[in-house]
Amino acid sequence: QQQVKQSPQSLIVQKGGISIINCAYENTAFDYFPWYQQFPGKGPALLIAIRPDVSEKKEGRFTISFNKSAKQFSLHIMDSQPGDSATYFCAAWDFGNEKLTFGTGTRLTIIP
Amino acid sequence: KAGVTQTPRYLIKTRGQQVTLSCSPISGHRSVSWYQQTPGQGLQFLFEYFSETQRNKGNFPGRFSGRQFSNSRSEMNVSTLELGDSALYLCASSLAGRPNTGELFFGEGSRLTVL
Repeated sequence: QQQVKQSPQSLIVQKGGISIINCAYENTAFDYFPWYQQFPGKGPALLIAIRPDVSEKKEGRFTISFNKSAKQFSLHIMDSQPGDSATYFCAAWDFGNEKLTFGTGTRLTIIP
Repeated sequence: KAGVTQTPRYLIKTRGQQVTLSCSPISGHRSVSWYQQTPGQGLQFLFEYFSETQRNKGNFPGRFSGRQFSNSRSEMNVSTLELGDSALYLCASSLAGRPNTGELFFGEGSRLTVL
């Protein structure tokens, strides 16, 4: 059972464009939503995270938008660069079960 | 500050064998979590240890087990290996094991291939 649904599976964006990755969830016990970035041969690394009492969080070119009523959140990468090419995972922390559930990942490729 | 170290990085086993993977967390971190990463399923939570105690476990069969030592180093073991166990096994360490209170730091993983 996939508790966090992530789309698209892969994404190609031109340099300078906006990359958008979407995630949706059902479990109302989720109360913390991190995004991880993974480069080939490396482990995932925390990119940015948001709590459900905030609708948007921005760190540099990366922004999380959170819609609590729709149970959806998304990652926006502005001015996408070739160095952003990586796999991105959304995740959700269940404070009741104390488990971190990941989406299935989005392979992002930024082309010149 | 050294990161999370996982050994071995690559290994090949045959069906029916067992394997032990090791994880050394960041100094001072008392929580170690293990995840299985496969192309189709993404990252699946295996279990989490804090101060030598398993606090939580995912939905994996009993063939998957782990332990944590007094120095916070952790090992996971998979017995009676199956082809479907081929995956990247990731270890993550943190101060308290709860990502909403402290960042999880992942190692580079141990890539297991079962033939």
